[in-house]
Amino acid sequence: GQSLEQPSEVTAVEGAIVQINCTYQTSGFYGLSWYQQHDGGAPTFLSYNALDGLEETGRFSSFLSRSDSYGYLLLQELQMKDSASYFCAVRGGYSSASKIIFGSGTRLSIRP
Amino acid sequence: DVKVTQSSRYLVKRTGEKVFLECVQDMDHENMFWYRQDPGLGLRLIYFSYDVKMKEKGDIPEGYSVSREKKERFSLILESASTNQTSMYLCASSLEAGWELYEQYFGPGTRLTVT
Repeated sequence: GQSLEQPSEVTAVEGAIVQINCTYQTSGFYGLSWYQQHDGGAPTFLSYNALDGLEETGRFSSFLSRSDSYGYLLLQELQMKDSASYFCAVRGGYSSASKIIFGSGTRLSIRP
Repeated sequence: DVKVTQSSRYLVKRTGEKVFLECVQDMDHENMFWYRQDPGLGLRLIYFSYDVKMKEKGDIPEGYSVSREKKERFSLILESASTNQTSMYLCASSLEAGWELYEQYFGPGTRLTVT
């Protein structure tokens, strides 16, 4: 079967750094994405890794290791507005007809 | 800015009714998707479409059908609504898949309650 595993909840302190992990088991793999969703809002795209290594976008970074079937999202200098749910998603193939599989989400709570 | 709109923010229907959820995107995207989101289960793919009149089943297509007659519009149909279809429904669109970018743009969602 195909599955993605990520922690259900993470708590961190404002100004700190937090890492949200995602491990996947899929029949095909063509990239790992991360999405953010605030309560009552729509998911919004954060990052995409097709190749191994670290991608940095401002305070957010995303890492992928295809040999370990593992990735993570790193959030630095945490702000209260970063309190949200974070989803990893795997693209199972190269073509447009490839399915997307989302993890069940990690709820990040930030304390002052 | 890409805009994905959904026909209703909240919808209440009775068991057995036929329900139509409409989604429109304004950026000429090839791919469109329907998901349902339930607490603790994340986003589960119902159907997706990579071209007009083309559709592919996702992970949970049972009880649903879709229609894509025009590139910008993707409809989700519940043939006979049941209480276990009470959920948040999210539509998304994206450009043609490639190595460089794969980003989905989501609509605001339709919270459907079936009584």
